[in-house]
Amino acid sequence: DAGITQSPRYKITETGRQVTLMCHQTWSHSYMFWYRQDLGHGLRLIYYSAAADITDKGEVPDGYVVSRSKTENFPLTLESATRSQTSVYFCASSDPPGHRNTEAFFGQGTRLTVV
Amino acid sequence: AQKITQTQPGMFVQEKEAVTLDCTYDTSDPSYGLFWYKQPSSGEMIFLIYQGSYDQQNATEGRYSLNFQKARKSANLVISASQLGDSAMYFCAMGAGAGSYQLTFGKGTKLSVIP
Repeated sequence: DAGITQSPRYKITETGRQVTLMCHQTWSHSYMFWYRQDLGHGLRLIYYSAAADITDKGEVPDGYVVSRSKTENFPLTLESATRSQTSVYFCASSDPPGHRNTEAFFGQGTRLTVV
Repeated sequence: AQKITQTQPGMFVQEKEAVTLDCTYDTSDPSYGLFWYKQPSSGEMIFLIYQGSYDQQNATEGRYSLNFQKARKSANLVISASQLGDSAMYFCAMGAGAGSYQLTFGKGTKLSVIP
């Protein structure tokens, strides 16, 4: 099925551990994004990618690393997890700017708890 | 920098009535897009409607319409004939200028539909 899938859906990890959240899309969208959602903040952009091997920082990039070796995958790594990174993480993808409808399509989200 | 303001943390509406969710935005870029997303209790983000800054007419998608007032920098979502399934969080978002693919989100409005 076409779509965007995130894994895992739920994750509990300990402070200081490295954890990777996976994102896979089948639409061949060039742009992919990682957002985090926290109460009182809405969604905030962590990193985005315009194409394979092209990534850039968003609003809240500290403590996160991304890579995009293939167009369809955009993993997000927390190199040393902290409690402040407890959040719901959303991956999204979209067509490039200039398309008529540039809405972003979101994955189901990953609920990460750092203890 | 772009900013989205949603001033209604929570709203109630009677089933079958219409409801307006407020959204104001701020950007200095003349080219931008405004989006509304719905997030039900299950957590996924569902795209509802899009309005481009140069669009002459207000966007409509089924029971959803966007009341776009450019001079007032407002992009209110109107839901007609509310249904119980409309109970959810609603987020207004904007993408502006060269970074139009990066969305800035408001903090959301929680809508509760009363039978």
